[in-house]
Amino acid sequence: DVKVTQSSRYLVKRTGEKVFLECVQDMDHENMFWYRQDPGLGLRLIYFSYDVKMKEKGDIPEGYSVSREKKERFSLILESASTNQTSMYLCASILQGVGNQPQHFGDGTRLSIL
Amino acid sequence: QQQVKQSPQSLIVQKGGISIINCAYENTAFDYFPWYQQFPGKGPALLIAIRPDVSEKKEGRFTISFNKSAKQFSLHIMDSQPGDSATYFCAASLSGSRLTFGEGTQLTVNP
Repeated sequence: DVKVTQSSRYLVKRTGEKVFLECVQDMDHENMFWYRQDPGLGLRLIYFSYDVKMKEKGDIPEGYSVSREKKERFSLILESASTNQTSMYLCASILQGVGNQPQHFGDGTRLSIL
Repeated sequence: QQQVKQSPQSLIVQKGGISIINCAYENTAFDYFPWYQQFPGKGPALLIAIRPDVSEKKEGRFTISFNKSAKQFSLHIMDSQPGDSATYFCAASLSGSRLTFGEGTQLTVNP
């Protein structure tokens, strides 16, 4: 079974802090994704990565950056946290190039910026 | 720009009833339409998916109906059970990787 693990379930940070959200998958998947989930807005793609050291902007990349130094790990970085970044953050991974495969999600990190 | 529109935002159904959630998409190049189910405190998980070359797919009590000309697809849950209470997301993708999600529907099935 694929396991996507997000390092924190709940996180409280202060405005202006640099925040790191970590995600690890154990199935050697090439593609990894970061979403934020807000009520009434669904899941919105922040960034994704097709391979180590590669990254692509999603639909709402402003205020975020990512890092993928190892295949199994994909980090989301809030450079200077703001209150409008309070949200649920979800990481996902998928095997590339094998037809239509499901994205496997972690259980999320609920981030509060005070 | 939201490319997948989902309705209703919330739905309350009695046990044994039929739950219907609808989605509409804009990009005619989409070729994969999954539905994800999310329970509280958990990440979404794939429930059922369809490709546009078929009009219907059924897995147990869950059915996707697909109308290519109208650019719409829907999820039907027959004999809805309290254990089906969850948030449901439709999605669409091109070539199966990057997904565009709908806004989500919070389903409550009353006993």
